[in-house]
Amino acid sequence: ELKVEQNPLFLSMQEGKNYTIYCNYSTTSDRLYWYRQDPGKSLESLFVLLSNGAVKQEGRLMASLDTKARLSTLHITAAVHDLSATYFCAVVGGLAGGTSYGKLTFGQGTILTVHP
Amino acid sequence: NAGVTQTPKFRILKIGQSMTLQCTQDMNHNYMYWYRQDPGMGLKLIYYSVGAGITDKGEVPNGYNVSRSTTEDFPLRLELAAPSQTSVYFCASRHPPGTVSLGIGNTIYFGEGSWLTVV
Repeated sequence: ELKVEQNPLFLSMQEGKNYTIYCNYSTTSDRLYWYRQDPGKSLESLFVLLSNGAVKQEGRLMASLDTKARLSTLHITAAVHDLSATYFCAVVGGLAGGTSYGKLTFGQGTILTVHP
Repeated sequence: NAGVTQTPKFRILKIGQSMTLQCTQDMNHNYMYWYRQDPGMGLKLIYYSVGAGITDKGEVPNGYNVSRSTTEDFPLRLELAAPSQTSVYFCASRHPPGTVSLGIGNTIYFGEGSWLTVV
């Protein structure tokens, strides 16, 4: 059974600081998604990581995937208040071409608060 | 292009009542999903479908039923509502992996969510 764990679950950051959210998963996968969720809203897609060593960046966020370590990171650079939200990683179990049918297993989420 | 549309957005049910959450997508996606999100948690898969007439259980299917008579629609039925079904429900859809160019085929589209309270 695929399990996905994020840490930390709560992250309080000062504006301008850097930090990393970690996403570990328990079984083979080469497809990992990062989402942002604001209170009372749906999920906003941030990154889709599809292979070992994949790195993607958008603004102050950068995500990477290490399939051998079963680990993805979401790095926040020079945090600003607008980044305050809950961040989820989600994993499709198995390798591309398999029979997982794109089903996602989500982490618990990391609640990020950026304060002055 | 409306994407994934869910209705209703909010609903209060009494224990034992039944209802159907509607989900429609206009992107001709074969794969569709229903997830639920409990407070402070990640999403959990209830049911999924890989095409019209084909559905299967996810991680938390008890108390729910689905049908898929068309490519566009994937309704979720709650029978005999219980307080444990108080949650936010998200419908999602996508193309099957590998059927289109890499960038598009792996995007998963979520609806806006349906907030359900059972009292």
